[in-house]
Amino acid sequence: EPEVTQTPSHQVTQMGQEVILRCVPISNHLYFYWYRQILGQKVEFLVSFYNNEISEKSEIFDDQFSVERPDGSNFTLKIRSTKLEDSAMYFCASTTERGGTQYFGPGTRLTVL
Amino acid sequence: KQEVTQIPAALSVPEGENLVLNCSFTDSAIYNLQWFRQDPGKGLTSLLLIQSSQREQTSGRLNASLDKSSGRSTLYIAASQPGDSATYLCAVYNNNDMRFGAGTRLTVKP
Repeated sequence: EPEVTQTPSHQVTQMGQEVILRCVPISNHLYFYWYRQILGQKVEFLVSFYNNEISEKSEIFDDQFSVERPDGSNFTLKIRSTKLEDSAMYFCASTTERGGTQYFGPGTRLTVL
Repeated sequence: KQEVTQIPAALSVPEGENLVLNCSFTDSAIYNLQWFRQDPGKGLTSLLLIQSSQREQTSGRLNASLDKSSGRSTLYIAASQPGDSATYLCAVYNNNDMRFGAGTRLTVKP
């Protein structure tokens, strides 16, 4: 069964460094999402992406964040200058249609020191 | 701003018991509602999706209901098993974003 994959599974970085989290959505899916979950807290929506542009973004998704689908298969989340509070689990999800069942990847645990 | 609340925060039941998890949301203008399962340290697995026009969905031992006007959904699990132990998340979708509840941590004891 097709699945969403994410790399790396765990990323450790120093405060102020740039990180890129990578996701490979299910191949025929058209809508892509990033979420984060700070340890012990709710899953929070970051951004949705369709037709090579951002559809919606939350208040969390500020100028430090960007997303890209560089080659038709990968979907990336970049954090330009990481802060301690960016430490969280980051999940990618994809779906075939707007409002369809979202399929989540296993997540990338980001630790900012 | 949409707020999603789940009650109870944790639940422990003996194997074989039927149980109900509750979810409430503040803005009834939703496109759909989805229930997920999350195992410790893992991603989310979709269990059921209910469109805003639907009242319920069933999959195996799971049944989810939706009362959009009152801002409530329930997830009914029949004949619970130890393998059902996980955190169950409710999420409402509208306008291309999805808002999650904090989850109910379920433990089913053998």
